[in-house]
Amino acid sequence: AQSVTQLGSHVSVSEGALVLLRCNYSSSVPPYLFWYVQYPNQGLQLLLKYTTGATLVKGINGFEAEFKKSETSFHLTKPSAHMSDAAEYFCAVSSGTYKYIFGTGTRLKVLA
Amino acid sequence: GAGVSQSPRYKVAKRGQDVALRCDPISGHVSLFWYQQALGQGPEFLTYFQNEAQLDKSGLPSDRFFAERPEGSVSTLKIQRTQQEDSAVYLCASSPRAGAYEQYFGPGTRLTVT
Repeated sequence: AQSVTQLGSHVSVSEGALVLLRCNYSSSVPPYLFWYVQYPNQGLQLLLKYTTGATLVKGINGFEAEFKKSETSFHLTKPSAHMSDAAEYFCAVSSGTYKYIFGTGTRLKVLA
Repeated sequence: GAGVSQSPRYKVAKRGQDVALRCDPISGHVSLFWYQQALGQGPEFLTYFQNEAQLDKSGLPSDRFFAERPEGSVSTLKIQRTQQEDSAVYLCASSPRAGAYEQYFGPGTRLTVT
């Protein structure tokens, strides 16, 4: 069985500050890991994904995430927050098949 | 190119009514998925199609939920005798390959059952 835990349902950062959104997973097989962003009244947009290979993954809009097997984590970071980053972020895990397990999401607020 | 589209974007139904939600996947995409997203929650898997074949319907919450994709492109999710607990956003996603891991999501249909 697989599961995802996102610590912090709401995160606030100042514009220009580091963004850190936490994701821990549980998987009995090597996981595929994803971060999606959801803007209000829109669908989910893929930010980045880890499947195999390099554990530091770079995505769109300056985001990156590092797969740490020993910590079962896949935290999302961005060095400098922008107002346009305000949205809801979802971490998801897959066993390499079509079925995703999503976390409950973290709503990011960016303060001016 | 065009992304995944869904209609209607908003649907209000009285308890007991039947509803039909439509998904137009990206042209040529083999795989199609339906998810249910309750308020404040992440999306939860409902069902998976590969072309016209429904290969997995393990996430459908009850036999009131039915999905089809008769020609391997457009899909419809039907909910019969809607209940208040069916209120949620229903997301459709598609993927270019069978069983592929990268899914492209539509904007969703927000269903409110009164």
